[in-house]
Amino acid sequence: QVQLVQSGAEVKKPGASVKVSCKTSGYTFTSYYIHWVRQAPGQGLEWMGIIDPSGGSTSYAQKSQDRVTLTRDTSTSTVYMELTSLRSEDTAVYFCARRMGNGYFDHWGQGTLVTVSS
Amino acid sequence: DIQLTQSPSFLSASVGDRVTITCRASQGIDSYVAWFQQKPGKAPNLLIYAASTLQSGVPSRFSGSGSGTEFTLTISSLQPEDFATYYCQQLNTFPLTFGGGTKVEIK
Repeated sequence: QVQLVQSGAEVKKPGASVKVSCKTSGYTFTSYYIHWVRQAPGQGLEWMGIIDPSGGSTSYAQKSQDRVTLTRDTSTSTVYMELTSLRSEDTAVYFCARRMGNGYFDHWGQGTLVTVSS
Repeated sequence: DIQLTQSPSFLSASVGDRVTITCRASQGIDSYVAWFQQKPGKAPNLLIYAASTLQSGVPSRFSGSGSGTEFTLTISSLQPEDFATYYCQQLNTFPLTFGGGTKVEIK
């Protein structure tokens, strides 16, 4: 069965970086794009970006495109989201989600809480 | 960016009630809309895509309709497990955007 398993919770200081992993299984890794979405505490959902695991091409939301980098490792079927220059407002749960062939999100990771605090 | 406005933001209802949630887009988005259900501490779960197509495994009491700028999610008979927060999402244009959410609580 399709699974997206994310790395564990992180606590970081302002100005630091965080790298969250999303390990996939149960399907052909290079055949489905992966999105990243975040959710601040008690807030709604915010799309961050997308990566094509086949060629590695990416597209980011303008809001944080200068601080976000999505990468992938085809040998381990894992996608990574790195966020730099962390601020308190980056405190959120970060989700990866698989894009179906028709463009919609069908499977999600369990989420990774990133807390930014001095 | 395309803004999605959901209404209401909060809804109190009883088991068995018919519930309708509206999502309005700031510009036309054809039928590129999805609806998600999210429970506390969990990832969103896809209910409806392409505005009206029921995702596999989702109960038939959920339905979606609309095109252009106005969309609705309807739960025909609310069940105890349906108390959650619901989000619409547009996939017509990058950046992808979500509505602000509708929290459905027990009356």
